[in-house]
Amino acid sequence: GDSVTQMEGPVTLSEEAFLTINCTYTATGYPSLFWYVQYPGEGLQLLLKATKADDKGSNKGFEATYRKETTSFHLEKGSVQVSDSAVYFCALRGRGTSYGKLTFGQGTILTVHP
Amino acid sequence: SQTIHQWPATLVQPVGSPLSLECTVEGTSNPNLYWYRQAAGRGLQLLFYSVGIGQISSEVPQNLSASRPQDRQFILSSKKLLLSDSGFYLCASGLAEYNEQFFGPGTRLTVL
Repeated sequence: GDSVTQMEGPVTLSEEAFLTINCTYTATGYPSLFWYVQYPGEGLQLLLKATKADDKGSNKGFEATYRKETTSFHLEKGSVQVSDSAVYFCALRGRGTSYGKLTFGQGTILTVHP
Repeated sequence: SQTIHQWPATLVQPVGSPLSLECTVEGTSNPNLYWYRQAAGRGLQLLFYSVGIGQISSEVPQNLSASRPQDRQFILSSKKLLLSDSGFYLCASGLAEYNEQFFGPGTRLTVL
């Protein structure tokens, strides 16, 4: 079945540092890929997405590129801020799932210090 | 865009008591609806999904049930809560023709 593997956290960075959160997946065919962000005590917000190979999703300074050859969708940001502290989830939607099921990774906690 | 409402936001219930969590969706019609549980602030587990009124599918056997009495209303219930039902419950909505899901603010349930 489909699966998503994220790098283990927590990740602790200083403000303005470079961020990478690794995500790899296993799926049949070519899934759609997502990054969601969850701020403390809140629901999940869609951060960015990519629906086909070599697509780059971007939003709020975050980027991720759909790499079919390495089955990866790593999240990057050039300069993190304290306000980026949150839990980040990588997710996929497999092709042919009629009810739109998303498969999530376990989440990576990011803490950014001033 | 879609807006998803959940209530209550926080709930503390004794073991053995009933449960009813409600989710309503604005800004769309005939969405697919989902209930997730998030334990220990981390990974999400899909509990139920619905593709239409009265149509409920369960992903995992458990003490909970779901109902969809109206197109944009999704309810999570239990007759008798267990300690293991504690967690953060998230409702989500998605359209069949699009890929992403949109999430509500969640309900924090503590069973004592």
